[in-house]
Amino acid sequence: DAKTTQPNSMESNEEEPVHLPCNHSTISGTDYIHWYRQLPSQGPEYVIHGLTSNVNNRMASLAIAEDRKSSTLILHRATLRDAAVYYCILRDVSASGSRLTFGEGTQLTVNP
Amino acid sequence: GAGVSQSPSNKVTEKGKDVELRCDPISGHTALYWYRQSLGQGLEFLIYFQGNSAPDKSGLPSDRFSAERTGGSVSTLTIQRTQQEDSAVYLCASSPWTGLNTEAFFGQGTRLTVV
Repeated sequence: DAKTTQPNSMESNEEEPVHLPCNHSTISGTDYIHWYRQLPSQGPEYVIHGLTSNVNNRMASLAIAEDRKSSTLILHRATLRDAAVYYCILRDVSASGSRLTFGEGTQLTVNP
Repeated sequence: GAGVSQSPSNKVTEKGKDVELRCDPISGHTALYWYRQSLGQGLEFLIYFQGNSAPDKSGLPSDRFSAERTGGSVSTLTIQRTQQEDSAVYLCASSPWTGLNTEAFFGQGTRLTVV
């Protein structure tokens, strides 16, 4: 499975934008970039995914570099509820059942 | 129900006993995945189902672990002769199919404690 690299932790202030980076230099042409987050004591929650173009949904935006070797998850206005571990995952055809392979993720702390 | 349901939410069992963990996926989802998360650790893939079949069981940690899925719906993860190292949160997820362009919906998990 192609791997991703994320910072272990990041901090933000409430109501400010947050940019969570992810490097995936070995990404292949058919890999989708997925983001999930896990709030304390809960199962992971889907955030967003994309292939080549930037994506927006009600939760966040995903900015994908032109060479696809990195991406950034953007939370436009962080709230206390956004404090979670954020996982950047490459979903690729080589993984059986297209399973999600979780790394360590980025622990996001949101300060009031 | 609207989401993935897992039961029980908590289970305390004595070492050596067998346990069954249940997952009710979202109706119509053909793909179902089991993961476990030990305290302070990441998610470890165990097994996935496409319909009722499990093409890849390589993630199961030992032959004490088994899983089945019936009617393309409910799945049961069974751990025989539980050990203390089996203590973890067991998470189930379902997807409409096993595609790269789909999202997975996770349940709240079953917290298993082996004493």
